[in-house]
Amino acid sequence: KNEVEQSPQNLTAQEGEFITINCSYSVGISALHWLQQHPGGGIVSLFMLSSGKKKHGRLIATINIQEKHSSLHITASHPRDSAVYICAVRSGGGNKLTFGTGTQLKVEL
Amino acid sequence: DVKVTQSSRYLVKRTGEKVFLECVQDMDHENMFWYRQDPGLGLRLIYFSYDVKMKEKGDIPEGYSVSREKKERFSLILESASTNQTSMYLCASSFSGRLGEQFFGPGTRLTVL
Repeated sequence: KNEVEQSPQNLTAQEGEFITINCSYSVGISALHWLQQHPGGGIVSLFMLSSGKKKHGRLIATINIQEKHSSLHITASHPRDSAVYICAVRSGGGNKLTFGTGTQLKVEL
Repeated sequence: DVKVTQSSRYLVKRTGEKVFLECVQDMDHENMFWYRQDPGLGLRLIYFSYDVKMKEKGDIPEGYSVSREKKERFSLILESASTNQTSMYLCASSFSGRLGEQFFGPGTRLTVL
C-alpha cells in the first residue's frame, strides 16, 4: 500500500465547477505539499502545509493532521487549471518527500 | 527566481549505451534529487545528495549512479542503458529544512531503444 494515496486518479470538470482533490497518508509528517504538473513535465509547488488552511487565488488547501488527510480545492475552475496535481509528504526532519501518484484534472469549456 | 535546468528535454539512446543526465541549480541549495516518473507510479526517488561528493540511495537506485563534484551540479549516470529505463527523469533541489520545498527542473524524457 502506498504511503500517500490520492483520489480521484482522473477528474473531468466543466468550466466554473468547484473541484476537490483528496490526499490521505499513513505516516507521521512534518509537512504536506501540493504540486502542479502541466503537460510537458515542469512541476511547480502550490502549497506547503503543516496545519490548517492556505489560500492562493482560486486555490485552497486544507490539512487535518489527526485524520491524516488533506484536500486541494479549486474554485471557479478554468481550462488552464488542467494539469496533474500531486500530493507529497515530508516525514520527520528529513529532506526527502514521498509522492502520491497524482490526479489528472481536465477542465472543459 | 530559483532555476533548475536539465541538459536535455528529449534523449534517445540505444540499449547498452552509457547515458549522462545533468542537472544544474543556481540557488546554492544543499540538496539535490533525481527522480523518475512513470504512469501510475508517480515520482520515485533514484538518488539524493545532501552535499558535494555525498550521496544517498533512494527507492530505486539499481542500474543508476550519480556524481556531485560541485554544489550546483548533480549528474545521473546510466552505466548501460536498458529499455526498462525509458522514462521521464526529473531533477530537483532544495535547502535543508524549509519544510522540504523542492524546486524541479523541466524533465528529460529518455527513450532507450
